Amino acid sequence: EAGVAQSPRYKIIEKRQSVAFWCNPISGHATLYWYQQILGQGPKLLIQFQNNGVVDDSQLPKDRFSAERLKGVDSTLKIQPAKLEDSAVYLCASSLERQPTGELFFGEGSRLTVL
Amino acid sequence: AQSVAQPEDQVNVAEGNPLTVKCTYSVSGNPYLFWYVQYPNRGLQFLLKYITGDNLVKGSYGFEAEFNKSQTSFHLKKPSALVSDSALYFCAVRDGGSYIPTFGRGTSLIVHP
Repeated sequence: EAGVAQSPRYKIIEKRQSVAFWCNPISGHATLYWYQQILGQGPKLLIQFQNNGVVDDSQLPKDRFSAERLKGVDSTLKIQPAKLEDSAVYLCASSLERQPTGELFFGEGSRLTVL
Repeated sequence: AQSVAQPEDQVNVAEGNPLTVKCTYSVSGNPYLFWYVQYPNRGLQFLLKYITGDNLVKGSYGFEAEFNKSQTSFHLKKPSALVSDSALYFCAVRDGGSYIPTFGRGTSLIVHP
């Protein structure tokens, strides 16, 4: 079974530029999450999708971050314009169902460096 | 509200010795508890979870965790550490009414040969 795919693995940009990250979840997984992991911290949820609908985006900085999952499969996370404090690893995860008891399956992450 | 604390930034242990990585939690309802491991430049991998039942949960790679309701703890353990166990370990919690897990800040486990 293929895992969660993410690209690019690494991205370096200057502040005020834009960047986009792509995620392809495990086949059949209805729930998709984007997490931000700053160095030395645990993952922090940015947004959760159930199929192609947003379930929770309360911690997404909507003035600069946006995410979509148009066909209920792949997802894209965009940052525009980027700030220095956005330097982090962006993790995509998926789960089979939207249940509290289910574990998440993570991709390898996209490391963003903002100069 | 739900939260999780990992009181140790780093745990050092000699190969072959038992290891413990600590986790305490706070939830308003029933807790669902998870441990994940992260190797360098990789995503998080699921190790084990506690949902209900036996307080001692067994997981991947010989790890186990003990759920203690009175102490609100879910410590990760392994009887004999391997150098290859060196990684970042994250505890996560969901309460019964939440679909979103909250992660701790992680504990770096270093196993010395």
